[in-house]
Amino acid sequence: ETGVTQTPRHLVMGMTNKKSLKCEQHLGHNAMYWYKQSAKKPLELMFVYNFKEQTENNSVPSRFSPECPNSSHLFLHLHTLQPEDSALYLCASSLGDHTGSYNEQFFGPGTRLTVL
Amino acid sequence: GESVGLHLPTLSVQEGDNSIINCAYSNSASDYFIWYKQESGKGPQFIIDIRSNMDKRQGQRVTVLLNKTVKHLSLQIAATQPGDSAVYFCAERIPASWGKFQFGAGTQVVVTP
Repeated sequence: ETGVTQTPRHLVMGMTNKKSLKCEQHLGHNAMYWYKQSAKKPLELMFVYNFKEQTENNSVPSRFSPECPNSSHLFLHLHTLQPEDSALYLCASSLGDHTGSYNEQFFGPGTRLTVL
Repeated sequence: GESVGLHLPTLSVQEGDNSIINCAYSNSASDYFIWYKQESGKGPQFIIDIRSNMDKRQGQRVTVLLNKTVKHLSLQIAATQPGDSAVYFCAERIPASWGKFQFGAGTQVVVTP
């Protein structure tokens, strides 16, 4: 276990549904990330939160909406998704931004999302 | 090496042999690199990292080599075991960023008895 948990592990939803993915880290980190992993493709960064502030939105469609209520929890709210959004959604955490820091990211197990 | 697309490169290695996985990175100014291992149904797991001011770093059964001249990174696994079967991918930190990494698509390592 990496200290990063994600729920649910599997999710099937229709295009008109609204659902949320949850991530929780127990490592005392201050930065959290959402990634999308499609089959046989590199990880795609979606959002970065550093000390609860969103510092990166990597041109993600507005049907994905992140929320970071505190440094330990991160949510990804989903609405009106498309079938091509089906993928593994990974959450990661790391120590927060400090000048000159080298902070490896620790990943959760992911949520396997299928959009019908 | 690694490539983006539908087919992951596959490295088949016999149990007990050494494995070498390669990665070509894109930006000569990248200053930090990480190797991850991802087993089926799991999230990526940190293996080892290296900063650009180093050429080599060793961990338990793993060694990472960095050749900045040709922008090449390699991961060597000594005495490969069945539990080493997984997808391995490298990540380079994007210059002038803090938490942004560019990831390779990965290499599938299959350990045969």
